[in-house]
Amino acid sequence: DSGVTQTPKHLITATGQRVTLRCSPRSGDLSVYWYQQSLDQGLQFLIHYYNGEERAKGNILERFSAQQFPDLHSELNLSSLELGDSALYFCASSPRERGSGELFFGEGSRLTVL
Amino acid sequence: GQQLNQSPQSMFIQEGEDVSMNCTSSSIFNTWLWYKQDPGEGPVLLIALYKAGELTSNGRLTAQFGITRKDSFLNISASIPSDVGIYFCAGRYTGTASKLTFGTGTRLQVTL
Repeated sequence: DSGVTQTPKHLITATGQRVTLRCSPRSGDLSVYWYQQSLDQGLQFLIHYYNGEERAKGNILERFSAQQFPDLHSELNLSSLELGDSALYFCASSPRERGSGELFFGEGSRLTVL
Repeated sequence: GQQLNQSPQSMFIQEGEDVSMNCTSSSIFNTWLWYKQDPGEGPVLLIALYKAGELTSNGRLTAQFGITRKDSFLNISASIPSDVGIYFCAGRYTGTASKLTFGTGTRLQVTL
């Protein structure tokens, strides 16, 4: 158990819909990262938050947005969903802003868009 | 997005055999990490390397940070069934701070 909690574990929805994925980092970790894992793309970095502020963006679509709240949990919002958005979405946390790359991953949220 | 090239993509090995896999990049990194992902789980950190030429062990696992800083290697000795999973390398360059670049993964399957 990494200490990172993600909900929901599984989500099935239709194209055009909007979903919210939630992540609670390890106790004391201030950094939260979101990654997307699909079969043909591997693990792709989406976005990084540190202590409530956005720190870096990766390959995140404009239809996607995220935020980190004062209690340090984070939400990833995916809207106008397309079939290609079906993937595993991982949240990871680390204690520092500019860490060494040692991330603690949650178990992921599997999104299926039909 | 940028990805690191891992090889082999997948491998079947006999229990007890040694395993080698590697990861190469066109860019240099200051940190190399190796993660393992079990089915239905998130990646778990196995080994972190911080210096070119560094050789680090974690039980039956040994990883090396390539001298050119563009590659890394992971060896598993005397493989056992619980070694099954996907192994990912990841590289980080100091200037990028946040972003880890992950490899394409090596799927390891062990036959008894």
